[in-house]
Amino acid sequence: AQTVTQSQPEMSVQEAETVTLSCTYDTSESDYYLFWYKQPPSRQMILVIRQEAYKQQNATENRFSVNFQKAAKSFSLKISDSQLGDAAMYFCAYRSSNSGYALNFGKGTSLLVTP
Amino acid sequence: GAGVSQTPSNKVTEKGKYVELRCDPISGHTALYWYRQSLGQGPEFLIYFQGTGAADDSGLPNDRFFAVRPEGSVSTLKIQRTERGDSAVYLCASSLGLLAGGQVQFFGPGTRLTVL
Repeated sequence: AQTVTQSQPEMSVQEAETVTLSCTYDTSESDYYLFWYKQPPSRQMILVIRQEAYKQQNATENRFSVNFQKAAKSFSLKISDSQLGDAAMYFCAYRSSNSGYALNFGKGTSLLVTP
Repeated sequence: GAGVSQTPSNKVTEKGKYVELRCDPISGHTALYWYRQSLGQGPEFLIYFQGTGAADDSGLPNDRFFAVRPEGSVSTLKIQRTERGDSAVYLCASSLGLLAGGQVQFFGPGTRLTVL
């Protein structure tokens, strides 16, 4: 089974600054999908960004971008111009493309945004 | 609302009781997933459906847990003889399909189950 590791239980960033959340994963597959989800206190998981492993170009969604290093099995999330509303738990998730459709989540990183 | 909905939002029960948790997926989504999230952890997969059938139930922890989706839309997660260790947030998600282009899962707000 694939494992997803988020080594930073908590991170803190000042408003308007940039922060990077780390994620590594373990897999023997060559084709898969990676996701970052945000979970605010309301509990609802919200998709932030996704990356297909076959694409070399890093995904970008407005202030959110990833640094996908396939050989290193690393998938970090960069949040630029941090806003108070970005404060939440962030989960990295892996999904196989051909051996099951469940998401494998890391333990999450709690992001605190200070004024 | 067009999102995934789950009822109840919170459920408190006593050890040994039976509970049912309901999930209404996004209209038109054929795939439905259940996850369990314990305190301080990421969600863990329980089961997913493609249409009416359970395509993969390998995440169900034991035979006290069962889920159905009789008409391919609403799903119910059923837990018999609840134990204190079952206390968690139960999340439901749906996706347009399973194949490429439909693989993004949209989550509901979850049901917080507390077993006393």
